Amino acid sequence: NAGVTQTPKFQVLKTGQSMTLQCAQDMNHNSMYWYRQDPGMGLRLIYYSASEGTTDKGEVPNGYNVSRLNKREFSLRLESAAPSQTSVYFCASTGGYNEQFFGPGTRLTVL
Amino acid sequence: AQSVAQPEDQVNVAEGNPLTVKCTYSVSGNPYLFWYVQYPNRGLQFLLKYITGDNLVKGSYGFEAEFNKSQTSFHLKKPSALVSDSALYFCAVRDTGGSYIPTFGRGTSLIVHP
Repeated sequence: NAGVTQTPKFQVLKTGQSMTLQCAQDMNHNSMYWYRQDPGMGLRLIYYSASEGTTDKGEVPNGYNVSRLNKREFSLRLESAAPSQTSVYFCASTGGYNEQFFGPGTRLTVL
Repeated sequence: AQSVAQPEDQVNVAEGNPLTVKCTYSVSGNPYLFWYVQYPNRGLQFLLKYITGDNLVKGSYGFEAEFNKSQTSFHLKKPSALVSDSALYFCAVRDTGGSYIPTFGRGTSLIVHP
């Protein structure tokens, strides 16, 4: 039981490049989330998926797209990376009573 | 609307002393409340939650939290701090009468001095 896994762990992009962050969970959770964490800002919700086949915008969706590929997998795509997207990205899934399980994070730097 | 506040950016405590990390919340209905811990370069880990019932909730690593409805607070406590407790702590709330999406506080850095 791996919980929530994320790839890659680290990534450096140049402005304008694209990339996809991958997330998978093996806990049979319906809901999945993407957050970004910046110093002094706490966690900010980018997108979430309440169940397979649905996605919704969170607090800071601009510049991102998501795909809920199946119940296990929820990917986050940056189509044209900008320096403002330099951050640590966390994927999470929800179990009973809404406690969340988080992945180890992806550290992204956009130059 | 739901919100959560962690009024202290940083809490310093000596090893062996009791610690408290503060959290207050605002919801329109009843709250589900959570504490998470984040060690350096790691994801958040669930510590404990209040859903209903006993106001004193016990969680992992000897932590506990007290739900106080009149003060809308859910402070995290531990009777005797360890240096290894040094980490970033997040409080989160979900309004049972609203969105199922939780709102997180900005986090409190706990530093336990030897």
